[in-house]
Amino acid sequence: DTGVSQNPRHKITKRGQNVTFRCDPISEHNRLYWYRQTLGQGPEFLTYFQNEAQLEKSRLLSDRFSAERPKGSFSTLEIQRTEQGDSAMYLCASSAGFRGTYEQYFGPGTRLTVT
Amino acid sequence: GQNIDQPTEMTATEGAIVQINCTYQTSGFNGLFWYQQHAGEAPTFLSYNVLDGLEEKGRFSSFLSRSKGYSYLLLKELQMKDSASYLCAVREVNTPLVFGKGTRLSVIA
Repeated sequence: DTGVSQNPRHKITKRGQNVTFRCDPISEHNRLYWYRQTLGQGPEFLTYFQNEAQLEKSRLLSDRFSAERPKGSFSTLEIQRTEQGDSAMYLCASSAGFRGTYEQYFGPGTRLTVT
Repeated sequence: GQNIDQPTEMTATEGAIVQINCTYQTSGFNGLFWYQQHAGEAPTFLSYNVLDGLEEKGRFSSFLSRSKGYSYLLLKELQMKDSASYLCAVREVNTPLVFGKGTRLSVIA
C-alpha cells in the first residue's frame, strides 16, 4: 500500500500522560499536514510541513503539542500532559505541492481517547 | 480567514439527484475542494474548482461561483454507498485548507 499510513490507529491514555503519533506520507509528497477532527465536525488544521520545515501552526496548537518531520519524510505529533479535550481523531495528509489541483491524500487517522 | 457554511444533514432517495451547497467568505480565494468521508474513515478527494463553472466527474459534479462565494456538489443516480459526509474545503493563497463542518448525506431506499 503506497498511501498515507498512520500509527497507531487507536490510542487510549490516561489524563496527564504523553502520547506520540506517527505519519508516513506518500513517498514523493513534500507537504505534510496534521488535522484534528471531532465528531460532527470537519477536520481542523493543526500544522503543516514542507519537507522538514514547519511552515505554519494553528492557534489551536497549544504548547503541549509539538510536531516534527526530521528528514522530510515521516512526521510525529506529540501531545504532552494529555487532557480529556484532546480526545479526537488525528488525521495526517500529504500532497505533492500546493498550487493547482494538488489535493491532499489523507491517512486513516489515529483515534485518541483520553480517560 | 474563511467562514464556510454547508447544511448539516440531507436525506435523498436511491437513484435520485442531490445538490449539497457550500457558501464561503474568504479574502484570497485559491481553490475549493470537495471531499467524501465515510463514518470512521479518512476523507477522500472528490473534486477541485478554482475557476467559475462546472466540473464533471462521472456521477459527481461540482460548481463554483467565485463572485457569490458559492459552490455545490451534485450527485446523480444516488447509490446506498454514497451515504457519507461531504466536506467543502477552501484554500486561500499560502494557507492550508479550511474545512466546513460537513454535510451528512443519508441515502434511503
